[in-house]
Amino acid sequence: GAGVSQSPRYKVAKRGQDVALRCDPISGHVSLFWYQQALGQGPEFLTYFQNEAQLDKSGLPSDRFFAERPEGSVSTLKIQRTQQEDSAVYLCASSLGQGSTEAFFGQGTRLTVV
Amino acid sequence: AQSVSQHNHHVILSEAASLELGCNYSYGGTVNLFWYVQYPGQHLQLLLKYFSGDPLVKGIKGFEAEFIKSKFSFNLRKPSVQWSDTAEYFCAVNKAAGNKLTFGGGTRVLVKP
Repeated sequence: GAGVSQSPRYKVAKRGQDVALRCDPISGHVSLFWYQQALGQGPEFLTYFQNEAQLDKSGLPSDRFFAERPEGSVSTLKIQRTQQEDSAVYLCASSLGQGSTEAFFGQGTRLTVV
Repeated sequence: AQSVSQHNHHVILSEAASLELGCNYSYGGTVNLFWYVQYPGQHLQLLLKYFSGDPLVKGIKGFEAEFIKSKFSFNLRKPSVQWSDTAEYFCAVNKAAGNKLTFGGGTRVLVKP
């Protein structure tokens, strides 16, 4: 498709369960970002890839969060042993590359941990 | 660390009214500034951006924003809103040499027909 695609759109996980969230960026986009958006707040940066290299993971809240982009296109955000505070919308964005002016966002995955 | 604050969490107004949403950021260096909009059920979309040059920037759908460096502000305006402008609006910044965005908390705008 023409835009950033995320799946699943909704995920309900039991506390302690592992989850994997997928992002398909726009074809040819070098940069890929993950953000976390808690209810009623703005998105907060989690991690950034340039091609397959994870250049910045300073926003990952704990070592239970792990992201990868092994072939420089599709990315997966994995959360291990989910906790209730992980409930949020997880947004993926892509852009053409370093210094590119615009990031394009997907619709997000709404994660609810029960 | 840089931060972004949006003054209003909720704004309710009638069609044809004027809209102004405040945004202030804290960062001493050169920044790029953005306004994103999220319509109900849709993804974040770029409304407008400022990198350099004329501090008054015009975006899509009749929106404009003014960068006032001395006030660290980038307020969004629209002279006459429509019902279809009902959405959540986010101000964001990034450093000139970087890419990751720092967002404000968002302002929910409801335009009554």
